Amino acid sequence: ETGVTQTPRHLVMGMTNKKSLKCEQHLGHNAMYWYKQSAKKPLELMFVYNFKEQTENNSVPSRFSPECPNSSHLFLHLHTLQPEDSALYLCASSPRTSDPDTQYFGPGTRLTVL
Amino acid sequence: GESVGLHLPTLSVQEGDNSIINCAYSNSASDYFIWYKQESGKGPQFIIDIRSNMDKRQGQRVTVLLNKTVKHLSLQIAATQPGDSAVYFCAGGSGTYKYIFGTGTRLKVLA
Repeated sequence: ETGVTQTPRHLVMGMTNKKSLKCEQHLGHNAMYWYKQSAKKPLELMFVYNFKEQTENNSVPSRFSPECPNSSHLFLHLHTLQPEDSALYLCASSPRTSDPDTQYFGPGTRLTVL
Repeated sequence: GESVGLHLPTLSVQEGDNSIINCAYSNSASDYFIWYKQESGKGPQFIIDIRSNMDKRQGQRVTVLLNKTVKHLSLQIAATQPGDSAVYFCAGGSGTYKYIFGTGTRLKVLA
């Protein structure tokens, strides 16, 4: 149990659907991250939030829309996705973004886009 | 660009033997490294970290060695057990949250 939870664990959606991924951390951290993990590729950083403020958008297409209402919760809103967006989406948290602290990951949401 | 890579995509080890998983990095400014373990269907799990002012750090059954001269680090697992079967990857950072992640080595433990 890493203290970072994600729901749903699995999601299948059509290209015209709208869905949201949820992440919650119980570690008292101030920084939260969204990563994409595709087969045989390194983790790709998507978004970074520090104290609820977005500090990084790593050239992510606008069909992915993050939301961070507070330091404990992070959402990733999905709409009009493409089949190549199918991947494992991982949420992570760390104490802050200013130091190279360990990032703790959730279990991920396995997304399949049909 | 910067890279962090693992030397072997797959490593098979007999149960009870020691495992050594290697990682090379390209950015000499990298000053913090983490090893993660990822089991099937799960997120990456922190194993051990090391900062650049150290060349060795030990945990429970695991040791990380850092050689800054050749920009190489390794993860050693003592007395490998079936529960150690997973993908292991390293990540390197230089002063911020932006890590460069490796692609991973799949460790298979043979009974």
